[in-house]
Amino acid sequence: SQTIHQWPATLVQPVGSPLSLECTVEGTSNPNLYWYRQAAGRGLQLLFYSVGIGQISSEVPQNLSASRPQDRQFILSSKKLLLSDSGFYLCAWSVWVLSGSTDTQYFGPGTRLTVL
Amino acid sequence: DQQVKQNSPSLSVQEGRISILNCDYTNSMFDYFLWYKKYPAEGPTFLISISSIKDKNEDGRFTVFLNKSAKHLSLHIVPSQPGDSAVYFCAASDPSAGGTSYGKLTFGQGTILTVHP
Repeated sequence: SQTIHQWPATLVQPVGSPLSLECTVEGTSNPNLYWYRQAAGRGLQLLFYSVGIGQISSEVPQNLSASRPQDRQFILSSKKLLLSDSGFYLCAWSVWVLSGSTDTQYFGPGTRLTVL
Repeated sequence: DQQVKQNSPSLSVQEGRISILNCDYTNSMFDYFLWYKKYPAEGPTFLISISSIKDKNEDGRFTVFLNKSAKHLSLHIVPSQPGDSAVYFCAASDPSAGGTSYGKLTFGQGTILTVHP
């Protein structure tokens, strides 16, 4: 069966410090991978998605970047955190499908980031 | 432009009764709809989905209804249980968005369901 891991679970960082959040998926190959953010009291905002190694698409301009160094590894980074980067970060995966169809996304446990 | 809207931020229901969560969308190209349940400090878990070729899908206590002409879907939970208390997100997929199908989902803002014993 497939599982998705995220770490750390919680993180408190000062403004201006770097960030690295990691997500790994087990039990599947060539998944689509996604990073979302849920700000307090708000819905899920898609930040980045990837359909393969080294391929990253950004949904919104921001202070963050993403990388996919391996098939089942997705990393969210920042060089200098802002207060507005605080939130709950979620990684998700889905099965790669042919154009014209879609599949369910499955989410990791999330990382609570607080920037002070 | 919010293409998926959950206009009720919260819903309170008595245990044993029916919970009805609503979701409206504007993009007529959406062809796949999902409901997720989220507890605080956890990732969303997939509940149930429906393709646009159907108008109803049932899984145990959960039923999703889709009204394409009204661009409206709803999630019915019968009977409601205290453990159902969570935030519920509806999401929709547009396979025509983008050159390759990456399964992008557009989420609503969520509805907080509270089921009272």
